[in-house]
Amino acid sequence: ETGVTQTPRHLVMGMTNKKSLKCEQHLGHNAMYWYKQSAKKPLELMFVYSLEERVENNSVPSRFSPECPNSSHLFLHLHTLQPEDSALYLCASSQGTSGRAWGNIQYFGAGTRLSVL
Amino acid sequence: RKEVEQDPGPFNVPEGATVAFNCTYSNSASQSFFWYRQDCRKEPKLLMSVYSSGNEDGRFTAQLNRASQYISLLIRDSKLSDSATYLCVVDSGGGADGLTFGKGTHLIIQP
Repeated sequence: ETGVTQTPRHLVMGMTNKKSLKCEQHLGHNAMYWYKQSAKKPLELMFVYSLEERVENNSVPSRFSPECPNSSHLFLHLHTLQPEDSALYLCASSQGTSGRAWGNIQYFGAGTRLSVL
Repeated sequence: RKEVEQDPGPFNVPEGATVAFNCTYSNSASQSFFWYRQDCRKEPKLLMSVYSSGNEDGRFTAQLNRASQYISLLIRDSKLSDSATYLCVVDSGGGADGLTFGKGTHLIIQP
């Protein structure tokens, strides 16, 4: 148990559905992240929140919409997804808010495995 | 050029053997380096940070070569439980506060 909890663990949705992924961290960290992991590809950073403010979105399509109501919770709202969006979506948190030294060690949740039909 | 590059493998290694793999990175300003381990259908977990002087944790040794821009991971006396994908991770110090991950090296320890 890493202290980062993601729900649901598995999700199947149609292209017209709207769903949300939830992440909660119990580590007292002040930065949270969404990553996408597709087969044969490295982890792709989607969004970063530091102290509840979005830092980076890396040109993610607008059909993915993040929300960070407080430093412990992170959501990823999904709508009108495409089949190529099927992947493992990982949430992570870290203590650091900058790229310096060891503050950026990240702790991952177990992920949500998403299938878009 | 890819930012973080790893040989995807798989490396098939007999139990008890020593195995090593490297990872190259392109950003010479990178400051922090890590090895993460990811088991099949599980989340990545930190294996060890990589210090400039090299560091060892039990059977695992990590080294950093800044001049050639690579890090390495050595596993001695490999166990069946070492079978996993090993992710090279680099903090490039960019404004994203995120880490750059390699695709991972798949290691299979055979009995």
